[in-house]
Amino acid sequence: AQSVTQLDSQVPVFEEAPVELRCNYSSSVSVYLFWYVQYPNQGLQLLLKYLSGSTLVKGINGFEAEFNKSQTSFHLRKPSVHISDTAEYFCAVSDRDDTPLVFGKGTRLSVIA
Amino acid sequence: DVKVTQSSRYLVKRTGEKVFLECVQDMDHENMFWYRQDPGLGLRLIYFSYDVKMKEKGDIPEGYSVSREKKERFSLILESASTNQTSMYLCASSFGGLGGYTFGSGTRLTVV
Repeated sequence: AQSVTQLDSQVPVFEEAPVELRCNYSSSVSVYLFWYVQYPNQGLQLLLKYLSGSTLVKGINGFEAEFNKSQTSFHLRKPSVHISDTAEYFCAVSDRDDTPLVFGKGTRLSVIA
Repeated sequence: DVKVTQSSRYLVKRTGEKVFLECVQDMDHENMFWYRQDPGLGLRLIYFSYDVKMKEKGDIPEGYSVSREKKERFSLILESASTNQTSMYLCASSFGGLGGYTFGSGTRLTVV
């Protein structure tokens, strides 16, 4: 079964600084990867996804992620964060179209003014 | 926009009560899911359904059951609520598996 490891439970960062949230998955022949964001008191919202093709994926709100098969990673990046990016971020994986997503434990991003 | 609506934002129930959590989606999605979210544990899958009257156990089904009598509605049932079921419950739906899930806003259940 697939599994996902988010290496950092909390990441504090100053406003306008760059940020990287790390995600590693268990190896599989095929893999589909997702990043979701959860703002306080809300459900999860899809940020971006990798299904195939270009390994650099761009998402909403200026976020991007890079699929690295050799390192089994899918790290999320943003070059300059805003206070409004304060939220919890979840990495998720599936290895087939018909199996539910498996989520990581989440990384809480705190942007400091 | 696809909407997934969870009937209650906050619920407080007593130990031993039967609890129903309702979820309705308005985009004719085939797939529906129930997750629970706990601090430090992320999201864990309770049950899912890929069609009406169909259900599959997820990773933590014990103490829960589900019902899907209509395509748009997926109910989570706690047969006899216990304090260890205090949690945030998230419902999601999708059309196929790879388009991404649409989540509801969650129901924060407290069992006392």
